[in-house]
Amino acid sequence: DVVMTQSPLSLPVTLGQPASISCRSSQSLVYSDGNTYLTWFQQRPGQSPRRLLYKVSDRDSGVPDRFSGSGSGTDFTLKISRVEAEDVGIYYCMQGVHGPYTFGRGTKLEIK
Amino acid sequence: EVQLVESGGGLVQPGGSLRLSCICAASGFTFSNYWMSWVRQTPVKGLEWVGQIGEDGSEKFYVDSVKGRFTISRDNAKNSLFLQMNGLRAEDTAVYYCVRDGGSDAGRASFDIWGQGTKVTVSS
Repeated sequence: DVVMTQSPLSLPVTLGQPASISCRSSQSLVYSDGNTYLTWFQQRPGQSPRRLLYKVSDRDSGVPDRFSGSGSGTDFTLKISRVEAEDVGIYYCMQGVHGPYTFGRGTKLEIK
Repeated sequence: EVQLVESGGGLVQPGGSLRLSCICAASGFTFSNYWMSWVRQTPVKGLEWVGQIGEDGSEKFYVDSVKGRFTISRDNAKNSLFLQMNGLRAEDTAVYYCVRDGGSDAGRASFDIWGQGTKVTVSS
């Protein structure tokens, strides 16, 4: 199975400061159609996961533009340009190329 | 707006069975045009993809840990997805989510719509 390694697992951030989460996969996430199926989710306390970014960097409707995704192959990054209080939660990456689909262990973002 | 609503969770003894349901309530969303997945979540293991079913139900894939015990099915006429769980073990204890997977206009492994989850507890 493809292993998704996220870091850090815990991320204390001061309000208004940037944040960055790394996600590395054990195999390339480029699919045969040329797309890279790496997705980022946000899970706020008590809620279901919510998709933020699809195919590395396509932001979902309603997702603030302070969230951005980058990377290629096996190395990906989620960046928040200026953290706000509503960003508290756990962030997961997921690969949708190789079966079974697999998730990272999650990065818990909290406000310092 | 698309909504997925799961039901059927509860407490079951080891070795027992449970059937989860997920109803898709939406306007402008053709349920039968999408693959659907089940994903489960535990505090220890985090999110785990359980399995998926194709648009017409003819294709199904599962994670190894549930193969032979869990079966995914769907009823497109009723916009419904099911997860039949047999031979339940303590390690199957989790919150189970119904998730819209992929489709021709959503792309592969879309995972853009999630239900609210239903809790399954396997314990004697």
